[in-house]
Amino acid sequence: DAGVTQSPTHLIKTRGQQVTLRCSPKSGHDTVSWYQQALGQGPQFIFQYYEEEERQRGNFPDRFSGHQFPNYSSELNVNALLLGDSALYLCASSLRGPGTEAFFGQGTRLTVV
Amino acid sequence: AQSVTQLDSQVPVFEEAPVELRCNYSSSVSVYLFWYVQYPNQGLQLLLKYLSGSTLVKGINGFEAEFNKSQTSFHLRKPSVHISDTAEYFCAVSGEGAQKLVFGQGTRLTINP
Repeated sequence: DAGVTQSPTHLIKTRGQQVTLRCSPKSGHDTVSWYQQALGQGPQFIFQYYEEEERQRGNFPDRFSGHQFPNYSSELNVNALLLGDSALYLCASSLRGPGTEAFFGQGTRLTVV
Repeated sequence: AQSVTQLDSQVPVFEEAPVELRCNYSSSVSVYLFWYVQYPNQGLQLLLKYLSGSTLVKGINGFEAEFNKSQTSFHLRKPSVHISDTAEYFCAVSGEGAQKLVFGQGTRLTINP
């Protein structure tokens, strides 16, 4: 089992550009969540996908959007990038339900210049 | 709304000494509590979790934590640390109705030989 895999591992973008990050969940998991971790901070919840729909959303602007595919993989899209969007973006997969363990990927390091 | 406060941003200890990393939470509903570890340039790995039942929870790598409802705390302990325990540790909470994790700011554990 490969666990949660994210691509790419590192990315450099220019302000105003758009970026797409990808996540493949752990085998058997149906729920994918995305988190943003700024340098020296704890991860902040962006949103969660289940059955191809956004189920919960954190306090992030509409520039952040996502998608879940029938095979449970997911994408995070960020439009009109700002310097403040530079962070480690973590994908976590789990089974649906409260208290279930979330498995995290290695993350994508996004740098906006 | 839920929140987590990790009372120490950095904790330096000597190898083979005991350590306690402190975590307090606030929530208006029943909670599930987690401790995650993040090694440099990696994602998060679950150390242990409290869902219900015994308030003393044992996890991987010799770590344990105690849930104290009256003090709204979930402190992490290890009786004897090793150099390999050097990492960032995050306390997190989720609620019955929401699967998202709310993280603290993290505690950097540094082990000195």
